[in-house]
Parts: sequence; C-alpha cells; structure tokens
Amino acid sequence: RKEVEQDPGPFNVPEGATVAFNCTYSNSASQSFFWYRQDCRKEPKLLMSVYSSGNEDGRFTAQLNRASQYISLLIRDSKLSDSATYLCVVSPPYGGATNKLIFGTGTLLAVQP
Amino acid sequence: DADVTQTPRNRITKTGKRIMLECSQTKGHDRMYWYRQDPGLGLRLIYYSFDVKDINKGEISDGYSVSRQAQAKFSLSLESAIPNQTALYFCATSDLGTGGNEQFFGPGTRLTVL
Repeated sequence: RKEVEQDPGPFNVPEGATVAFNCTYSNSASQSFFWYRQDCRKEPKLLMSVYSSGNEDGRFTAQLNRASQYISLLIRDSKLSDSATYLCVVSPPYGGATNKLIFGTGTLLAVQP
Repeated sequence: DADVTQTPRNRITKTGKRIMLECSQTKGHDRMYWYRQDPGLGLRLIYYSFDVKDINKGEISDGYSVSRQAQAKFSLSLESAIPNQTALYFCATSDLGTGGNEQFFGPGTRLTVL
C-alpha cells in the first residue's frame, strides 16, 4: 500500500463548480499534512497546510480526518486558473525532525470554460 | 527575489556518462533536498542535507551522489547515467527556523538518458 494515495483524475469541471479531492495516508502517526499545487511542467508550490480543526483560505477548504486517515481539499467557485495537479503531502512520524515529506502522485484538475 | 535555481534546465545525455545537476538558493535556508518525479510515481526523495557537513540518503539514493559545497549550493551527480534515470529532477529547500515543513522548489531539470 502506498503511504499516500490519491485519485489521479482527471477531474473535469465547469467554471464555477465546486470540486473535492480526497487523499488517504497509511501511517496513523503522521504528523503534518499539506496540499501542494503543481502546474504542468512546473515546480510544486505549497497551497495550504491542513490542520486538525480544518482550515479555509478563500475558496479553498482543507479538512483532516485522523480517525479515517484522510485529508480533503474543497475548491469552491472553480476558476480556469485552478487547473493544475494537486499533491497531497504528509510528514511522517519522524518527519518533524528531518522535514521529510511524502508526496502523493497528485490529482489532476481541469476547469473547463 | 530570494529564489531556488537549478542548472541545467534540460539535459540529454547518453548511457554511461557522468552528469551533475546543480542547485543554488538565495533563501538562506539550511536544509536542501533532491527529488525526482516520474509519471505515476510522484516525487521521491533522493538525498537531503541539513547543513554543509550533513548528507543523508533518501528512499532512492542508489546510482546518485551529492555534494553540499556551501549552505547555498547542493549538487546531484549521476556517476554513470542509465535510461531509467530519465526523469524530472527538483531541488528544494526548507528552513528549520520556520518549522521547516514548507519546502520551496526550484524550477526543475528535465534529464533524458538515451
């Protein structure tokens, strides 16, 4: 089983739609959780951290469910510019001391006009 | 603007050649990383370094070596390139002082081994 699993997609949605991605992780002792965004052939960039209480940044909402070992990303009112690959990223139990991150393979979002 | 740069951006080479990929950063971060990205496999950690005197293997270090010449420079070498090392390579940095969990990536080097 992969340490971090994501549906690769693609998710094809119209502008203005709400779309949600889930990600599961295998190690229940994982410490920190993030969503990164990667545009085609570009470097990944941090989109947002995911906190136990959930957190929101504009149109983006991230949730963490430790009991079920999954995190989610909700995008409301999708824009064409949201088209990208969204990487689920987990810091393993030892990761805090090393800053090691485990990356999922990504979910491709394509927002259609 | 503070940045992470990688050279070269693209490289085509032949099997058996020695290749060096270079990474420089002006962020003043102490921690640096090399990853490779392959379709369907995501980003995988090759090596990481916490400071000039510290080098650590990642999950796929075989066939690679690194050198941390200075706080700002971290080089990745392929001693004898093979075709399955064809991939997109990213350098990244992080700063222990800010909790260290956010990593900042360079633009990537696309390497093709024929």
